[in-house]
Amino acid sequence: EAGVAQSPRYKIIEKRQSVAFWCNPISGHATLYWYQQILGQGPKLLIQFQNNGVVDDSQLPKDRFSAERLKGVDSTLKIQPAKLEDSAVYLCASSLDGGSSYEQYFGPGTRLTVT
Amino acid sequence: GQSLEQPSEVTAVEGAIVQINCTYQTSGFYGLSWYQQHDGGAPTFLSYNGLDGLEETGRFSSFLSRSDSYGYLLLQELQMKDSASYFCAVRDGGRRALTFGSGTRLQVQP
Repeated sequence: EAGVAQSPRYKIIEKRQSVAFWCNPISGHATLYWYQQILGQGPKLLIQFQNNGVVDDSQLPKDRFSAERLKGVDSTLKIQPAKLEDSAVYLCASSLDGGSSYEQYFGPGTRLTVT
Repeated sequence: GQSLEQPSEVTAVEGAIVQINCTYQTSGFYGLSWYQQHDGGAPTFLSYNGLDGLEETGRFSSFLSRSDSYGYLLLQELQMKDSASYFCAVRDGGRRALTFGSGTRLQVQP
């Protein structure tokens, strides 16, 4: 079974530029999560989708971050404009459904460096 | 909101047993998960406790006491490959989302 796929793996941008990350969850997984993980900290949930609907985006900085999951499968997370403090690893995860959120499968992440 | 506390670092020797504690405060508790993350890698699911008691999966066990808002991960017969960060994560009853602790870095020495 293929795991969660993410691209790119690494990205370096200057502040005020924009960037987009892509995620393809495990086939059949209805729930998709985007996390931000700053070095030395645990993952912090940014947004949770159930199929193509948003379940929780309470911690998403909506003035600069946006995410979509149009067909209930792939998802993109965008940052525009980026700030220095956005430097982190962005992790995508999926679970069978919201009721199985205790067991999430994570992708390899995208390491973002903002200079 | 939710808050979790776990030790930042633990050191143990190969073959030993180590326990990583996690205490939490949450407005609506639904369960406690444990994840392992090697440097540069993705978090991987280890164990989940929805009810009080001990769950065993091979060399790893996890315990939960809801009345004490406390859980732990027990790693037995430590191997060098167990050197990693371990995160506890609380599942919120309302949002069903996971809130992760800041992680415990385990270093296994020969």
